[in-house]
Amino acid sequence: KNQVEQSPQSLIILEGKNCTLQCNYTVSPFSNLRWYKQDTGRGPVSLTIMTFSENTKSNGRYTATLDADTKQSSLHITASQLSDSASYICVVSPVDSARQLTFGSGTQLTVLP
Amino acid sequence: DGGITQSPKYLFRKEGQNVTLSCEQNLNHDAMYWYRQDPGQGLRLIYYSQIVNDFQKGDIAEGYSVSREKKESFPLTVTSAQKNPTAFYLCASSMGYQPQHFGDGTRLSIL
Repeated sequence: KNQVEQSPQSLIILEGKNCTLQCNYTVSPFSNLRWYKQDTGRGPVSLTIMTFSENTKSNGRYTATLDADTKQSSLHITASQLSDSASYICVVSPVDSARQLTFGSGTQLTVLP
Repeated sequence: DGGITQSPKYLFRKEGQNVTLSCEQNLNHDAMYWYRQDPGQGLRLIYYSQIVNDFQKGDIAEGYSVSREKKESFPLTVTSAQKNPTAFYLCASSMGYQPQHFGDGTRLSIL
């Protein structure tokens, strides 16, 4: 069964600090991996998307890495801001099919002043 | 600006009642999706449609129905057969096979 596990479930950091969120998956064969940011009561917004051949992708202060051999991805947030408080969701696709996307349950990040 | 509009933001369902959640997009996307989000769980696919007048069941279609009469619109009906409808419902759209843009959701509760 395809699975996506995210850790930690929740994380609290102080404003200005860096943090790293983890995503491990068992999806195979692998097509791509996305990270989404979801603010409370809003829909998810795509941060990055990586294919098998990419191992790093940046979007401003967000940097995603992918190790397809170990089936692990991480999302690194630099110089956190209060607006980074949200749930971060990892989504993995085995092939180009909406039917087979597997969503992680997310990491809830809280940034305190 | 282009985007996806879901309405209403909050909805309450009485026993035995069907309710319909609206989803409209002006992105000219071919594909549209409905997901259910429960606390502590990943999003689960209810239905998706890749062209007008065609739609496919997702993983948890029982107790739900959809229609796709127009490219812009993909309403979801939560029927009385869905015994545990309380959840956050998200609509999404894309040009390709994977959802790219999400609406801001409808929170459905039981009265």
